[in-house]
Amino acid sequence: EAGVTQSPTHLIKTRGQQATLRCSPISGHTSVYWYQQALGLGLQFLLWYDEGEERNRGNFPPRFSGRQFPNYSSELNVNALELEDSALYLCASGPLDRAEQYFGPGTRLTVT
Amino acid sequence: GQSLEQPSEVTAVEGAIVQINCTYQTSGFYGLSWYQQHDGGAPTFLSYNALDGLEETGRFSSFLSRSDSYGYLLLQELQMKDSASYFCAVRMDSSYKLIFGSGTRLLVRP
Repeated sequence: EAGVTQSPTHLIKTRGQQATLRCSPISGHTSVYWYQQALGLGLQFLLWYDEGEERNRGNFPPRFSGRQFPNYSSELNVNALELEDSALYLCASGPLDRAEQYFGPGTRLTVT
Repeated sequence: GQSLEQPSEVTAVEGAIVQINCTYQTSGFYGLSWYQQHDGGAPTFLSYNALDGLEETGRFSSFLSRSDSYGYLLLQELQMKDSASYFCAVRMDSSYKLIFGSGTRLLVRP
């Protein structure tokens, strides 16, 4: 069974640009979660999508947005990039009725 | 606000037992999860406790006391490969979103 996949592995952008990160969940999982992990820190919840709808979002500004496609893959968009957006962005999927989440390898975003 | 407290670092010897504690203060609580993350890797799920008591999975056990807002992860027969960061995470409501602690870096020495 394939795990959660994310692309790209690394992304380098300049301040003010937009970044698009992609995630494909484990087959059969309808929920996708996005987290931000700044260097050496814990994970901060960003967004939760299920069945194509945004179900919950964390304490992040509106320039962090995303969507979930009919095949349950998901996209995270970060507009007007700031230096402090540099972090590892992790996507996780999970079955809706279970607590465990399965994480992808992440996208390392660097804003210069 | 929501807060989870766990020690920043723990060091133990190969073959020993180590306990990583987590105390939480959140506006809601459904359950406590534990994740392991090796350097440069993705977090991997270890355990989830929704009810008070001890859950055992091989060398790893996890405990929860809801009345004390406290839990711990117990790692037995430590191996070098257990050197990693361990995160506790609270599921606050029915949404399954997780609030993570800042992580405990475990160093296992020979």
